[in-house]
Amino acid sequence: DVKVTQSSRYLVKRTGEKVFLECVQDMDHENMFWYRQDPGLGLRLIYFSYDVKMKEKGDIPEGYSVSREKKERFSLILESASTNQTSMYLCASSLYGRYSPLHFGNGTRLTVT
Amino acid sequence: TQLLEQSPQFLSIQEGENLTVYCNSSSVFSSLQWYRQEPGEGPVLLVTVVTGGEVKKLKRLTFQFGDARKDSSLHITAAQPGDTGLYLCAGDQGGYNKLIFGAGTRLAVHP
Repeated sequence: DVKVTQSSRYLVKRTGEKVFLECVQDMDHENMFWYRQDPGLGLRLIYFSYDVKMKEKGDIPEGYSVSREKKERFSLILESASTNQTSMYLCASSLYGRYSPLHFGNGTRLTVT
Repeated sequence: TQLLEQSPQFLSIQEGENLTVYCNSSSVFSSLQWYRQEPGEGPVLLVTVVTGGEVKKLKRLTFQFGDARKDSSLHITAAQPGDTGLYLCAGDQGGYNKLIFGAGTRLAVHP
């Protein structure tokens, strides 16, 4: 089974802090994604990566950056955390190819105070 | 930006009842996926539909992709408490498996 592991289940950070969310997958998937999930809004794509060192903006990239130095690891960075970034963050991976399913981690619930 | 609207937003039913969840868009998608998410976990894929008019069955769950590939439905027969969860539809925007998700239908099935 594919395993996507997010480093933290819960994080509490202060406004203005730099925050790192880490994600590791063990199935050699080419694609990796970061979504945030908010009630009533569903999952919204922040950034995705289709190869090492490659990244593409999703629908809501403002206030975020990403890093993919190794194929199995995809990091989401909040340069200066703000309260409106309080959310559930979900990492996912997939094979490169049409109709490949996304495999999700269990999420990181981030609270910015 | 393509949008996917799911209805109803919430559904609370008794064990044994049937239900249908809808996923609608004004845009055409090359494929549509359905996921279920349980509390404290990430979404898990249930099915992918790719052809207009396609019907797929997964035990008591029946998925249909609209003829025009703009909408989809999920029908559950004789719901059980184990069906409780958040059901999400996701459309393929094209390229790199970039999916756009609906807001979800939260289903509660009571014994």
